Amino acid sequence: NAGVTQTPKFQVLKTGQSMTLQCAQDMNHEYMSWYRQDPGMGLRLIHYSVGAGITDQGEVPNGYNVSRSTTEDFPLRLLSAAPSQTSVYFCASSSRRATEAFFGQGTRLTVV
Amino acid sequence: TQLLEQSPQFLSIQEGENLTVYCNSSSVFSSLQWYRQEPGEGPVLLVTVVTGGEVKKLKRLTFQFGDARKDSSLHITAAQPGDTGLYLCAGVSGNTPLVFGKGTRLSVIA
Repeated sequence: NAGVTQTPKFQVLKTGQSMTLQCAQDMNHEYMSWYRQDPGMGLRLIHYSVGAGITDQGEVPNGYNVSRSTTEDFPLRLLSAAPSQTSVYFCASSSRRATEAFFGQGTRLTVV
Repeated sequence: TQLLEQSPQFLSIQEGENLTVYCNSSSVFSSLQWYRQEPGEGPVLLVTVVTGGEVKKLKRLTFQFGDARKDSSLHITAAQPGDTGLYLCAGVSGNTPLVFGKGTRLSVIA
């Protein structure tokens, strides 16, 4: 029972590089979201999706893109990495907006 | 943006002590969730409260939702080192996505 799987777990990027953080869930959840967690800032919502083909911006969307072509996958793309994007990124899924959110183990990203 | 303020930000106590952490907002929430996060892991749901005034118990943890559904508290009785972690409250209001507080980092010393 995998739940929410994020890859990679650790990544170091140089400023200006691009990359995609992967997120997959096997619970057939419609609702998926990406958060970043910084010291003293809690979890801040980057982007979310209420179903395949539908995405929307959260609190801190700048510098990130998402797409939702399938129910299972919700990748997060960093177009041109900046040191300010150094953070721990969490993907979460839930059956509906207000129900329990299941989180992946996170991706620790460092941009140098 | 609905804000959830959690207090205290940090708490360090001895094993066996009791503690309460708070989650407050000026907004009304249709439901409020409490999560615990351990180092290197994602948050895990502890409880969801939905009704104003609701009290839920999970072993030594007692959760309360305020009558006006704007605040919540988590009380731990006889804290143990295994309770150490980051406690996050998260609320749902209207059509907005789940919004999280900044968390209370609890350390229980044996």
